[in-house]
Amino acid sequence: QVQLVQSGAEVKKPGSSVKVSCKASGSTFSSNAINWVRQAPGQGLEWMGRIIPIFGTTDYAQRFQGRVTIFADESTNTAYMDLSNLRSEDTAVYYCARDADYGPHAGFDMWGQGTMVTISS
Amino acid sequence: DIQMTQSPSSLSASVGDRVTITCRASQSIRTYLNWYQQKPGKAPTLLIYGASSLQSGVPTRFSGSGSGTDFTLTISNLQHEDFATYYCQQSYSTPRYTFGQGTKLDIK
Repeated sequence: QVQLVQSGAEVKKPGSSVKVSCKASGSTFSSNAINWVRQAPGQGLEWMGRIIPIFGTTDYAQRFQGRVTIFADESTNTAYMDLSNLRSEDTAVYYCARDADYGPHAGFDMWGQGTMVTISS
Repeated sequence: DIQMTQSPSSLSASVGDRVTITCRASQSIRTYLNWYQQKPGKAPTLLIYGASSLQSGVPTRFSGSGSGTDFTLTISNLQHEDFATYYCQQSYSTPRYTFGQGTKLDIK
């Protein structure tokens, strides 16, 4: 059974960076994209970007361009999301989520458990 | 970006009821519309993709319809485990995905 397992909670200071990992256990990376979605406390879902691990190609939401970097290590089946220049508004749960096998139009059929990132001075 | 608007924002219902949640896109997205369920403290789970296709393992009391700009998620015969928050997501402008703001369904 394939699972996406994320790294643990982080507390960071404003202006610093955070790196969250997402390991595909029970499987190797396929051509499915790994997306990153965040959810601020009590708020909705926001897509941040994605990577297709076997190609290394990335796409980012415009509002995060220049602050977010997504990359993957195929040897460990792990994707990473690095967010820099953190501010209080970045306090959120960060999820990784895999494109469904039917393709990128068919939603995200597998999600990590989420990583809480708290920005506090 | 394509804007997604859900209504209502919250909804109260009873076990056994039939409920409908609406999602409207700011432009035509054909049938590239997905629905998710999220329970407190948990990641979302995919319910419906392509506006009306039921994800594997999802109970048949969930159904979706619509095309273009207007979509609905219907839950028939509500069960206790269905009380959650529901999100629509457009996947027309892949990978520039956008979600609706969510509809919280709670027990009356």
